[in-house]
Amino acid sequence: SQQGEEDPQALSIQEGENATMNCSYKTSINNLQWYRQNSGRGLVHLILIRSNEREKHSGRLRVTLDTSKKSSSLLITASRAADTASYFCATSTSGTYKYIFGTGTRLKVLA
Amino acid sequence: DAGVIQSPRHEVTEMGQEVTLRCKPISGHNSLFWYRQTMMRGLELLIYFNNNVPIDDSGMPEDRFSAKMPNASFSTLKIQPSEPRDSAVYFCASSSVDSPQPQHFGDGTRLSIL
Repeated sequence: SQQGEEDPQALSIQEGENATMNCSYKTSINNLQWYRQNSGRGLVHLILIRSNEREKHSGRLRVTLDTSKKSSSLLITASRAADTASYFCATSTSGTYKYIFGTGTRLKVLA
Repeated sequence: DAGVIQSPRHEVTEMGQEVTLRCKPISGHNSLFWYRQTMMRGLELLIYFNNNVPIDDSGMPEDRFSAKMPNASFSTLKIQPSEPRDSAVYFCASSSVDSPQPQHFGDGTRLSIL
């Protein structure tokens, strides 16, 4: 069974608005990563957050991690049409290099 | 620096044929992963290698699937015989194993089995 479940499954917003995507997982993790996938392309790494971190920023991206709730959120501020893509969370447990990917959120940013 | 290179990008073949997918990881990366992506099941990890050795192949769906990594710069995923339900996009990814590292994905092989 998949470790991560993203919510919502699909999101449509206007350019300039903020987009928030959530990821919930089932077991304790070592770290969590967020990836973006453009149509017809491979996944691209966005940001990694370790289990002892609560928040990380990278440009217009902000990721939070709540290990007590087993959840993470990805916030994209001031969205652009180029942000249109699917976004996935991926979790890794201690002692393994395996990452389990969630079901993804399809984001559409309207110009 | 070249990214992960997969070939072919598209493959269409008839049921029963052997299919071989190829992957060249990023130079210096010592972990390699094969994934399968479908609408129904999402992104599934099939197998991963560390220093050319298969570490976990529990995601390989059946004995029809096999993967090899003869050296640090090349890996293959083979399906023999292929079936229509194997149709999917197959991704290869590589990473450095030293501490948590991002995975770098190729652009995938879109496989259609008729």
